[in-house]
Amino acid sequence: AQTVTQSQPEMSVQEAETVTLSCTYDTSESDYYLFWYKQPPSRQMILVIRQEAYKQQNATENRFSVNFQKAAKSFSLKISDSQLGDAAMYFCAYRANTGNQFYFGTGTSLTVIP
Amino acid sequence: DVKVTQSSRYLVKRTGEKVFLECVQDMDHENMFWYRQDPGLGLRLIYFSYDVKMKEKGDIPEGYSVSREKKERFSLILESASTNQTSMYLCASSLWGGGSSYNEQFFGPGTRLTVL
Repeated sequence: AQTVTQSQPEMSVQEAETVTLSCTYDTSESDYYLFWYKQPPSRQMILVIRQEAYKQQNATENRFSVNFQKAAKSFSLKISDSQLGDAAMYFCAYRANTGNQFYFGTGTSLTVIP
Repeated sequence: DVKVTQSSRYLVKRTGEKVFLECVQDMDHENMFWYRQDPGLGLRLIYFSYDVKMKEKGDIPEGYSVSREKKERFSLILESASTNQTSMYLCASSLWGGGSSYNEQFFGPGTRLTVL
């Protein structure tokens, strides 16, 4: 079974600074999708960024970017110019191309310090 | 915008009660999912459904059942609620997987269930 590991239960960053959240996964598949979701306190989970495994170029969405290392099975999220509104729980997720089920990590709680 | 709604944000029930959690999505998604979210454990899949009347067990189905009579609606049922089922329950939906498409999951706001 696929597993997704987020080894940092909690992280903090100073406002306007950059922070990187780590995610590793285990799979025998060659074609899959990776996602980062954000869950603000008491609010709905939303998609932040996504990456296809066969695309070599790292995905970018405004201040959010990923570092996708397929051989190392690593998918980290970089948040630049951190804002107070970035404070949330962040979940890394995996889906195989041939499957419907998502596999989530245990989450990283990000605190942004003013 | 895709919208996934859940019947309650907060629910308090007593041990032994039958509990229904309902989820509705408005984007004609084939797949619907029920997760349980607990601190330090992330999201754990209880059940998912890929079509009307079809269901698959997830990682922690014990003590739960589901019903999908219409494509847009997916219900989670706790037949006899217990205190260890106190948790946040998240519903999600997505298009059918496979092929060159992300088919990301869209989540509802969650139901925080407390069983006394």
